[in-house]
Amino acid sequence: EVQLVESGGGLVKSGGSLRLSCAASGFTLNTYSMNWVRQAPGKGLEWVSSIGTTWNHIYYADSVKGRFTISRDNAKNSLYLQMNSLRAEDTAVYYCARDSISARRSVDYWGQGTLVTVSS
Amino acid sequence: QSALTQPASVSGSPGQSITISCTGTTSDVGGYHYVSWYQHHPDKAPKLMIYEVSNRPSGVSNRFSGSKSGNTASLTISGLQAEDEADYYCTSYTSSSSPYVFGTGTKVTVL
Repeated sequence: EVQLVESGGGLVKSGGSLRLSCAASGFTLNTYSMNWVRQAPGKGLEWVSSIGTTWNHIYYADSVKGRFTISRDNAKNSLYLQMNSLRAEDTAVYYCARDSISARRSVDYWGQGTLVTVSS
Repeated sequence: QSALTQPASVSGSPGQSITISCTGTTSDVGGYHYVSWYQHHPDKAPKLMIYEVSNRPSGVSNRFSGSKSGNTASLTISGLQAEDEADYYCTSYTSSSSPYVFGTGTKVTVL
């Protein structure tokens, strides 16, 4: 069974840092592109960052470019999001999400999310 | 990259059909056959309902269907049921540097 379990969320002050982790199981991470998607309180889903199966395919939303870094450790079957210079507007539930191979340009599995709260 | 435009809310009675629109541009919805729809219940993980405009993943009810015309994609839910009450989001591939752009989201209410 495919599972994605996020961790690392919490309360942090504005300007601080957090590192989110996503532990993948039930599949081999290195064969899939992965994403981080967030949802701020009362708002819609927002794509944050993607990483391809190779490190030369990394993308960021303009809102986090230069502050967030996505990475993966295929040996540990884990995805990460290093978040620096956090702002109040980064407060959100962060979801780890797997790109589908068969359903192109779609996400077929999501984690339950981890809450990041940035206090000003 | 601007979010795709969806109506904030759509409602219908049990058994009825409703349609949710998702409007973009020629750089996203209108330019590619890669529109997906997700169902999101509060405190749950989103679920893929439609991919590549009109395809249903295995296990998704055939009450859900998708289509596209020009820069606007649509999700239709027929035979509306109480469990369909949720938020729905469209996404599209885009020619910008972002692999995904999400819609603004639509809250579906079953009356």
